[in-house]
Amino acid sequence: SQQGEEDPQALSIQEGENATMNCSYKTSINNLQWYRQNSGRGLVHLILIRSNEREKHSGRLRVTLDTSKKSSSLLITASRAADTASYFCATKGAGSYQLTFGKGTKLSVIP
Amino acid sequence: DVKVTQSSRYLVKRTGEKVFLECVQDMDHENMFWYRQDPGLGLRLIYFSYDVKMKEKGDIPEGYSVSREKKERFSLILESASTNQTSMYLCASSLGLAKNEQFFGPGTRLTVL
Repeated sequence: SQQGEEDPQALSIQEGENATMNCSYKTSINNLQWYRQNSGRGLVHLILIRSNEREKHSGRLRVTLDTSKKSSSLLITASRAADTASYFCATKGAGSYQLTFGKGTKLSVIP
Repeated sequence: DVKVTQSSRYLVKRTGEKVFLECVQDMDHENMFWYRQDPGLGLRLIYFSYDVKMKEKGDIPEGYSVSREKKERFSLILESASTNQTSMYLCASSLGLAKNEQFFGPGTRLTVL
């Protein structure tokens, strides 16, 4: 069953601008992860945030998690054309091997 | 770096054929997964395995079976391919239960005619 829902479905920005994508989910989680997928390829793990964390950084990526609102956001700062891809959030429940993926946000960064 | 490889990037089969999709990972991961990805539907889990010879159904197992005889290899089998199984198939692996970061293969785009 699909749990994560990304918003917006598509986002188009100019190179150098910041991009923000949101993810909402329905049930309690152990952690939330963000993945990137370039067109026609497999997914690449970007960052993981645990349920007891509120914010995490990795390079130009900043992820926040609000468990009370069951939502997360991914911020990409100073975007580049190479950031053009689809971005997915995935949630993991406690004791579960599975990740449940959202439908993704398609980001286009215009040079 | 973890490497997950899939046997084919593109595959064209006929309705009713038996189809094997192979996935191999080289990092001794316990867990392996098969997803299909369709426009507007995102990734949906077909089957996963948390150990050799163990398998668990995901969200959409109908029409599929899997085999895991060796730790590094996880096969997806379409017993009798149908046109509604035309899709992108993605294999992934992960180490352990606690974090479960998944490493994906490049995908196999299967077309069933």
